[in-house]
Amino acid sequence: AQSVTQLGSHVSVSEGALVLLRCNYSSSVPPYLFWYVQYPNQGLQLLLKYTSAATLVKGINGFEAEFKKSETSFHLTKPSAHMSDAAEYFCAVSESGGSNYKLTFGKGTLLTVNP
Amino acid sequence: DGGITQSPKYLFRKEGQNVTLSCEQNLNHDAMYWYRQDPGQGLRLIYYSQIVNDFQKGDIAEGYSVSREKKESFPLTVTSAQKNPTAFYLCASNEGAFQPQHFGDGTRLSIL
Repeated sequence: AQSVTQLGSHVSVSEGALVLLRCNYSSSVPPYLFWYVQYPNQGLQLLLKYTSAATLVKGINGFEAEFKKSETSFHLTKPSAHMSDAAEYFCAVSESGGSNYKLTFGKGTLLTVNP
Repeated sequence: DGGITQSPKYLFRKEGQNVTLSCEQNLNHDAMYWYRQDPGQGLRLIYYSQIVNDFQKGDIAEGYSVSREKKESFPLTVTSAQKNPTAFYLCASNEGAFQPQHFGDGTRLSIL
């Protein structure tokens, strides 16, 4: 089974600063990778997805992520944080083989943006 | 607009009682999923269904049951066998393998 590790359960940045949320995965085959955002008491919303077409993936709200196979990483970045970015972020990897409908999620990173 | 509707948003259960959480989608997706979310633990898969009249256990299926009689509906029953049911429950759907999942807004279940 795949696994996803999100380094840092809580990240705090100042408004206007760079946002970097880390995600490492384990996969024996080329993975499909996703980043989701969750606002309080709501469901998850897709930010972006990697499906092997390009290593740098652009998503909504100014976020992007870079797939690095050598580092098994898919870190999420945004050049300048906004107060509205405060939320919890989840990295997920699609299972392979017979379980390829399933997603494995990381434990999440709570992003706080300080004024 | 297409989407996933979960109801109710808040639900309270008495000890020994079964409760059913509703999930309806109008996205025409074949696959549907139920997750449980607890603080600091991410999302854990309870059950999923790839097609009508078929479903599989996820990682934490004990104490839960589901049915998939219609493509658009995938209700989850939390039975009295689930000893720690207090959590936020999320329903999702997608078109199939490797596709992004779309989520409802969740149901928060608490024990009275």
